[in-house]
Parts: sequence; C-alpha cells; structure tokens
Amino acid sequence: SQTIHQWPATLVQPVGSPLSLECTVEGTSNPNLYWYRQAAGRGLQLLFYSVGIGQISSEVPQNLSASRPQDRQFILSSKKLLLSDSGFYLCASDAGAYNEQFFGPGTRLTVL
Amino acid sequence: GNSVTQMEGPVTLSEEAFLTINCTYTATGYPSLFWYVQYPGEGLQLLLKATKADDKGSNKGFEATYRKETTSFHLEKGSVQVSDSAVYFCALSDQRSGNTGKLIFGQGTTLQVKP
Repeated sequence: SQTIHQWPATLVQPVGSPLSLECTVEGTSNPNLYWYRQAAGRGLQLLFYSVGIGQISSEVPQNLSASRPQDRQFILSSKKLLLSDSGFYLCASDAGAYNEQFFGPGTRLTVL
Repeated sequence: GNSVTQMEGPVTLSEEAFLTINCTYTATGYPSLFWYVQYPGEGLQLLLKATKADDKGSNKGFEATYRKETTSFHLEKGSVQVSDSAVYFCALSDQRSGNTGKLIFGQGTTLQVKP
C-alpha cells in the first residue's frame, strides 16, 4: 500500500514570505498527485493536480504554484504569501483501480 | 456538471445510536463512489467505496449502498461510538473526458458522538 509524507506538519509564516511544502509518495509508481486546501471548518478545494513529471494543471487562479520534479515528489510553492493562504494543505495520490485517493497527514499553514 | 451533496451538519448522537449521513450525487456515466473520514487534525482516510450500482461498501461497521435509481450513497452505522466523532466526506470519481483520477467531494458532515 502507498504511504504519503508531507512536511512540515505545521508552519507559521509572515505575509509576503515565500512558501515551499513538500509531498513524497512511497509504495507506488507513476501516480496522479493532487494538492488540496481546506479552510477552517470547510470542505476541500482542489488546487493542482499532476499526471506526470513536469505536468501540472491548476484548478483555480491563485497565489500558489506547484511543481513535480520527480515521479513521487510534489511541491507547493508561493513567492509571497497572503493572509488568505492560511489553511490545511493536503497532498493526495491515486493509484487505485477505481480512482480512490490516499491522503497525507497534511500541513497546517498560518499566515500572520 | 458532476456534484455531490451531503446533509448539513453537525450531527450529534448519543453513543450506540444509529447513524445515517445522506449523500446524493449528480454525474454522467458510471462513477465510483467513496466515503472518507477525517479525524481532528489529520488527513482524510478512505472509509469505504462502491464501484457499480447496487454495490455495498463496508468497513469498521459502516455501510453504504450505491443506489443508481435514487443517485444516493448514504452512510450508515448501527451503533456509533465516541471514537467515530469526525468529519465524513462523500465523493465520486469524475470520469468525464480529461478528468481521469479527479474526485468531486461533498462539503463534509461533522459527526459528534456523546457518551
């Protein structure tokens, strides 16, 4: 079974600072990878997905970007954080026959 | 377009009560359906799934049946425990062209079980 790692687990950053969140996947190859954001007490918003190295699709216009430098590595970045970027960021991978996704433990980002 | 609608929460139950969380969907084709659970401060865990009409997914005492005629996938458990307190998400696989692999999630339903 696949395991998804995310770090850091928590992060407090000032407005205007850069961001880099990392996600790595074990136990599968060539997965589709996803970044979600979950605002406090709310549902999931799909931010980016990737079907392969260097292939990124953005779901919503925003202050964030994503990259996939290796098959099982997915990075979420920002050059200048906004207050509205605060939230719980989840990385997911799918490799199941029926598109089930498996999630990492998440990174809680607070922008002050 | 494809969508998932869950019942509004929070749902508050006493321990050993019967649980139903309603989920209905709109989709083209024949999506797979999923229930995920999120415990406080954690990521989502796949709870159960059903991949075709009339399939019943089950896990840890939870069940849900894929009802194509009513486009529903309601989550049920006969006797809830305090440890079941969490947020539950219903989701479907988006099988429209160009969207292979993406899931569409409902807004989540918070369950609180009191001793």
